[in-house]
Amino acid sequence: DQQVKQNSPSLSVQEGRISILNCDYTNSMFDYFLWYKKYPAEGPTFLISISSIKDKNEDGRFTVFLNKSAKHLSLHIVPSQPGDSAVYFCAATPGGSGNEKLTFGTGTRLTIIP
Amino acid sequence: KAGVTQTPRYLIKTRGQQVTLSCSPISGHRSVSWYQQTPGQGLQFLFEYFSETQRNKGNFPGRFSGRQFSNSRSEMNVSTLELGDSALYLCASSLDGTGYNEQFFGPGTRLTVL
Repeated sequence: DQQVKQNSPSLSVQEGRISILNCDYTNSMFDYFLWYKKYPAEGPTFLISISSIKDKNEDGRFTVFLNKSAKHLSLHIVPSQPGDSAVYFCAATPGGSGNEKLTFGTGTRLTIIP
Repeated sequence: KAGVTQTPRYLIKTRGQQVTLSCSPISGHRSVSWYQQTPGQGLQFLFEYFSETQRNKGNFPGRFSGRQFSNSRSEMNVSTLELGDSALYLCASSLDGTGYNEQFFGPGTRLTVL
């Protein structure tokens, strides 16, 4: 049972445009959500997170939106740069002590076209 | 501040052997989690340790085990290796194990079982 889903395996975006990556979840206990970026042969790098008490969190070019009623979150990157080309993973956790387990989506490969 | 380090980076073993992987978390981080990444299954949670205690365990057979030392360094062991254990094994650390902090990943250990 895939509790966190990223339905788009790949996405191509022109440099300078907005990249929107989507993620859906099914577990109502998830309380904290994170986005990671991963380059080949490296571990995932933390990008941005959001708690369920918020609906938006912004950090520079990266903004994460959370729609709890739809159990949906999205990552917006604007403007997109060639260095953003990577695999992006959405992850979720119930939060709280003892709940470090992250449940990951299967990832979306983002390609920025110069 | 040094990041999460994992040793070795690459490992080749044969079926039936056992293997031990090592992870040194970021200084001051007390929680260490392990994940397995395979092309078909994405990132799957193995277990999490905090203050030398396993607090959470994923759905992996008992051949997968781990431990954490008093300095927060962690090891994971896989006994009686199978071909399907070939994967990238990632270690992640977080500050206080509350489940509301980002986890920082190491570069991973690429295990190949022949």
